[in-house]
Amino acid sequence: NAGVTQTPKFRILKIGQSMTLQCAQDMNHNYMYWYRQDPGMGLKLIYYSVGAGITDKGEVPNGYNVSRSTTEDFPLRLELAAPSQTSVYFCASSTSNTGELFFGEGSRLTVL
Amino acid sequence: QQQVKQSPQSLIVQKGGISIINCAYENTAFDYFPWYQQFPGKGPALLIAIRPDVSEKKEGRFTISFNKSAKQFSLHIMDSQPGDSATYFCAASPGSSNTGKLIFGQGTTLQVKP
Repeated sequence: NAGVTQTPKFRILKIGQSMTLQCAQDMNHNYMYWYRQDPGMGLKLIYYSVGAGITDKGEVPNGYNVSRSTTEDFPLRLELAAPSQTSVYFCASSTSNTGELFFGEGSRLTVL
Repeated sequence: QQQVKQSPQSLIVQKGGISIINCAYENTAFDYFPWYQQFPGKGPALLIAIRPDVSEKKEGRFTISFNKSAKQFSLHIMDSQPGDSATYFCAASPGSSNTGKLIFGQGTTLQVKP
């Protein structure tokens, strides 16, 4: 049972480039989330989804886009990368009832 | 009003001692308060959580104390062990409809010295 799988683990981008962070879960969870973690700032919610075809903005959505075509996958798209998007990105999933988030191991992104 | 303030930023405790991390919130609509533990290079993992209808919850060496009137909650780690060295995040959920939309504190890095 893999849980939540994120790829890539590390990536360096140049300013203005675009990329997609992949996230997949095999727990049949309806809810999925993208958080970013910056030193001394905790984790902040970027986007979330309550099921296939349904997404909504979190606290810091600017510069990002998401899609949810299947229950399993929740990719995060960065358009026109900026240095402010240098961060560690975590994908998480949960059932609708327990509230416990299951996190992936993170994707460390550096924008130069 | 959506913030959760966590202190201290870092904490050093001797093995066998008690580690205490505090959090404060403003939004009275918060109704779910989890603590997450994160080891270097890993994602956070749920440690323990509480809802505001109880003042304390204990799981093994970990206890959450909750003070609804003061809008504060804290994590106590009894008999702290070197294996407890990690970063701890408190969090709060702004409503029972989706407890995954968490507002996280800034994090506390705990080091337990042997």
